[in-house]
Amino acid sequence: DQQVKQNSPSLSVQEGRISILNCDYTNSMFDYFLWYKKYPAEGPTFLISISSIKDKNEDGRFTVFLNKSAKHLSLHIVPSQPGDSAVYFCAAASGGYQKVTFGTGTKLQVIP
Amino acid sequence: DTAVSQTPKYLVTQMGNDKSIKCEQNLGHDTMYWYKQDSKKFLKIMFSYNNKELIINETVPNRFSPKSPDKAHLNLHINSLELGDSAVYFCASSLGAGSYGYTFGSGTRLTVV
Repeated sequence: DQQVKQNSPSLSVQEGRISILNCDYTNSMFDYFLWYKKYPAEGPTFLISISSIKDKNEDGRFTVFLNKSAKHLSLHIVPSQPGDSAVYFCAAASGGYQKVTFGTGTKLQVIP
Repeated sequence: DTAVSQTPKYLVTQMGNDKSIKCEQNLGHDTMYWYKQDSKKFLKIMFSYNNKELIINETVPNRFSPKSPDKAHLNLHINSLELGDSAVYFCASSLGAGSYGYTFGSGTRLTVV
């Protein structure tokens, strides 16, 4: 039972344009959401997070949007840079001593 | 100076063998985790320890046994290895059990032949 889903396995975007990565979840108990970025042969790196009490969180070129009613979140990268090419994992957790559940990732390629 | 280090990086072994993967963090974090990334790239939690105490134990075969001698170390021992155990195993740590910004190691690619 996959509670966090990233339906697009890959995405290609031109340098300088916006990259939009999408994620859906099924567990209404999730109240904290995260995005991780992973380069080949490295572990995932924490990128940005959002609590369920917010609908938007911004950090530089990265913005995460949360739509609780649709159980959907997205990561916007503006402007996209070649160094952003990586696999992006969406993740979610509920409060307390709870595990982080990851999606299967979306491979982003930013074309120079 | 590596924050979360795992050894070995690659491990190729025969079915039936017993092997261990070691993990150490120098961040002063209280909580450590083992995740498994299978062939479908799905990252799934296996275990979590908070200050040497087991707090998450997912449905994992009991051939897998974690051990945390102190809060900076979390090792994973696997008995009687099977072909299906082939995967990348990631160790991670966080400030505390309710802190979700994990710092991951670079992974151990285990291949069982």
